[in-house]
Amino acid sequence: DQQVKQNSPSLSVQEGRISILNCDYTNSMFDYFLWYKKYPAEGPTFLISISSIKDKNEDGRFTVFLNKSAKHLSLHIVPSQPGDSAVYFCAARYGGGADGLTFGKGTHLIIQP
Amino acid sequence: KAGVTQTPRYLIKTRGQQVTLSCSPISGHRSVSWYQQTPGQGLQFLFEYFSETQRNKGNFPGRFSGRQFSNSRSEMNVSTLELGDSALYLCASSSYREDEQFFGPGTRLTVL
Repeated sequence: DQQVKQNSPSLSVQEGRISILNCDYTNSMFDYFLWYKKYPAEGPTFLISISSIKDKNEDGRFTVFLNKSAKHLSLHIVPSQPGDSAVYFCAARYGGGADGLTFGKGTHLIIQP
Repeated sequence: KAGVTQTPRYLIKTRGQQVTLSCSPISGHRSVSWYQQTPGQGLQFLFEYFSETQRNKGNFPGRFSGRQFSNSRSEMNVSTLELGDSALYLCASSSYREDEQFFGPGTRLTVL
């Protein structure tokens, strides 16, 4: 059973607009959430994270929102740039990460000129 | 600071063989985790080592094993390879278990 779900395999957004990537989770024990970005032939790169005690975390163009009651988080990228085209993974962990990270299957973001 | 390095980057093996993959974490990082990425299952946690001890293991058969050395470098071994073991194997390191993990570029294993 998938505990972290990214229901959109791909997303196409025009350059300069906002990109919104969504992630849902089922395990209420998760207390820390992360977003990773992955280019082909490279390992995932950490983007931004949020603790379950917060509902928003911002870092430059990237903002992550957490809705614990809905077990939903989203990553907003504003404005979207061509270099943002990549696969984005949502990940979650609990208990300090003793069981590693649980990843979603990823969303392929395509930024169109 | 050098990033996480993994060797080899690409590997082709045949069914029944065994393989060893290597990971060198970022200098000073003591935690190393291994993940398997396949198109169907996505990224799945294999196991995590901290100070030469395996702390936890994901839901994989005993054919998958690993170890960590005193310099924090880690190796992962898969014995009796199956076609389904074809995947990208990613290693990630962090300074403590709770920190964000930094991933290497992965080893692409193809089993024929």
